[in-house]
Amino acid sequence: NAGVTQTPKFRILKIGQSMTLQCTQDMNHNYMYWYRQDPGMGLKLIYYSVGAGITDKGEVPNGYNVSRSTTEDFPLRLELAAPSQTSVYFCASSYSLEKLFFGSGTQLSVL
Amino acid sequence: GESVGLHLPTLSVQEGDNSIINCAYSNSASDYFIWYKQESGKGPQFIIDIRSNMDKRQGQRVTVLLNKTVKHLSLQIAATQPGDSAVYFCAENIRGDYKLSFGAGTTVTVRA
Repeated sequence: NAGVTQTPKFRILKIGQSMTLQCTQDMNHNYMYWYRQDPGMGLKLIYYSVGAGITDKGEVPNGYNVSRSTTEDFPLRLELAAPSQTSVYFCASSYSLEKLFFGSGTQLSVL
Repeated sequence: GESVGLHLPTLSVQEGDNSIINCAYSNSASDYFIWYKQESGKGPQFIIDIRSNMDKRQGQRVTVLLNKTVKHLSLQIAATQPGDSAVYFCAENIRGDYKLSFGAGTTVTVRA
């Protein structure tokens, strides 16, 4: 099992550009999550999904969109990148609510 | 605001000593708690969890204590090793919710 795989690992965007952060898991987990982590801070939940076709907002959803067309994939879309979206993004999955498995993260800079 | 928080942002520990990392929560409806370890440049990794119907749970070199009366939990690491240097997060789940809320983290540095 590869676990949770995130791509890309690093990305630099210009203000106003768009991009999609990819996340895929091979553990057949129902629950998937996107978090962002700012320097020296904890993780803030952006969006989550409890199964294919179902998504919901977390604490900080503004400026982001998600989709969950399959159990395996949970991409995060930034439509108009802003400097405030400079952060490290983590995708996670879990079988139940407990024990989230995290990917290795995507470091995003918006300049 | 955050309902889960850690008392100290940093902790320096001598190798071989025991470490205690504290976390406070404010929501009495929280019924599941979990500790994660995050090494530099990596995603968080599960350490140990505890449900609200328990006071204590032990793992390999780690113990989590839960005091529901004062809404406090702690992570104890026995015989701290250099590989224990990391940021430690506590997280909680509120009964009936689908997500975890994370605290800000404590950075543990182990001195040789």
